[in-house]
Amino acid sequence: GQQVMQIPQYQHVQEGEDFTTYCNSSTTLSNIQWYKQRPGGHPVFLIQLVKSGEVKKQKRLTFQFGEAKKNSSLHITATQTTDVGTYFCAGVTGGGNKLTFGTGTQLKVEL
Amino acid sequence: DAGVIQSPRHEVTEMGQEVTLRCKPISGHDYLFWYRQTMMRGLELLIYFNNNVPIDDSGMPEDRFSAKMPNASFSTLKIQPSEPRDSAVYFCASSLVRGGRDTQYFGPGTRLTVL
Repeated sequence: GQQVMQIPQYQHVQEGEDFTTYCNSSTTLSNIQWYKQRPGGHPVFLIQLVKSGEVKKQKRLTFQFGEAKKNSSLHITATQTTDVGTYFCAGVTGGGNKLTFGTGTQLKVEL
Repeated sequence: DAGVIQSPRHEVTEMGQEVTLRCKPISGHDYLFWYRQTMMRGLELLIYFNNNVPIDDSGMPEDRFSAKMPNASFSTLKIQPSEPRDSAVYFCASSLVRGGRDTQYFGPGTRLTVL
């Protein structure tokens, strides 16, 4: 079945440092979504990418969808303590409606 | 809108007991998803419904798990009998019209502990 892996699994940064998480799928994706889950919370939608090579920005967050539509990345510039949480990518294959979630990257930000 | 509502928020039960988790999706959303989250297996899709009809239950672990959606505003996930390995956080999520291609709105989750 489809597998979506993320690296790294954990990342500790000092506040102000940049952070990147990478998402890789075993199959081509129709679209990819990113979610953030705060400790003890539930996943919250951040963004969706659909087109090959697409890049979208949300303030300090930059999202990319690979040309082959099998990988994606999330980059956070100048992390803040409010960025703490686990970031998940999630993709759909073919014409289906099932989101397969990645393994997640847990981000900790220290002052 | 109130968002996706789940109850109970926490459930502690003993092995062998029946457990029923409840979900009220956002009004007007056509899709409802049940997920399970554990440290070992991450966030897994168990089953999803479109317009109250189960579409894909391939993620349901075994026959002890069953899910229903009797109407557009209510769904249940039942585990009978429960086992310690069922301990997890169970999330319900809903989306508008395009299922996995739309934003999924997650409920707060039910933390299930089976002793």
